[in-house]
Amino acid sequence: DAGVTQSPTHLIKTRGQQVTLRCSPKSGHDTVSWYQQALGQGPQFIFQYYEEEERQRGNFPDRFSGHQFPNYSSELNVNALLLGDSALYLCASSLWGTGANEKLFFGSGTQLSVL
Amino acid sequence: GQQVMQIPQYQHVQEGEDFTTYCNSSTTLSNIQWYKQRPGGHPVFLIQLVKSGEVKKQKRLTFQFGEAKKNSSLHITATQTTDVGTYFCAGNNNDMRFGAGTRLTVKP
Repeated sequence: DAGVTQSPTHLIKTRGQQVTLRCSPKSGHDTVSWYQQALGQGPQFIFQYYEEEERQRGNFPDRFSGHQFPNYSSELNVNALLLGDSALYLCASSLWGTGANEKLFFGSGTQLSVL
Repeated sequence: GQQVMQIPQYQHVQEGEDFTTYCNSSTTLSNIQWYKQRPGGHPVFLIQLVKSGEVKKQKRLTFQFGEAKKNSSLHITATQTTDVGTYFCAGNNNDMRFGAGTRLTVKP
């Protein structure tokens, strides 16, 4: 039973560049949420995808966009990178339809460094 | 918007001492979840509380959900070195909002 997988594990970019992070949810899960975790902080909710649509969005600018594919995998895109975008990006999968009560299964994250 | 606050930010204890972290939400929650993140790791689900006033226990860990469903606590009895990590509460009100976490260190 595969857990949540994320790629790449580490990434170094320069200011102004664009980045794409990828996530495959846990087997049997259909919902993917993305979080940004700065060093020493809690995960900050970016957005959630279900049925290939963005269902909820946190307080992040439009530079952050996403996509969900028919196989439930997801991508997070960040345009015009800023130094402040340096963080651990976590993907969490869950199962829709159980209300908002399903626990989140997190991947190991992508550590993004913007220079 | 919904805010989840957690205190203390850090807690250093001697092995065998108790530990408590508190979580408060600015809005009423449908449920609250607790996660543990080991250093260098990712958050791992511990428990979910749904009912007003609910109390759940997992071995040495006791979780409580307030009567107003706006606050929660996690208490660890007789800490061990394996308890080291950051404990996050996550309030659920349409989406999951995490507190800043309490980082626990345990001195053997």
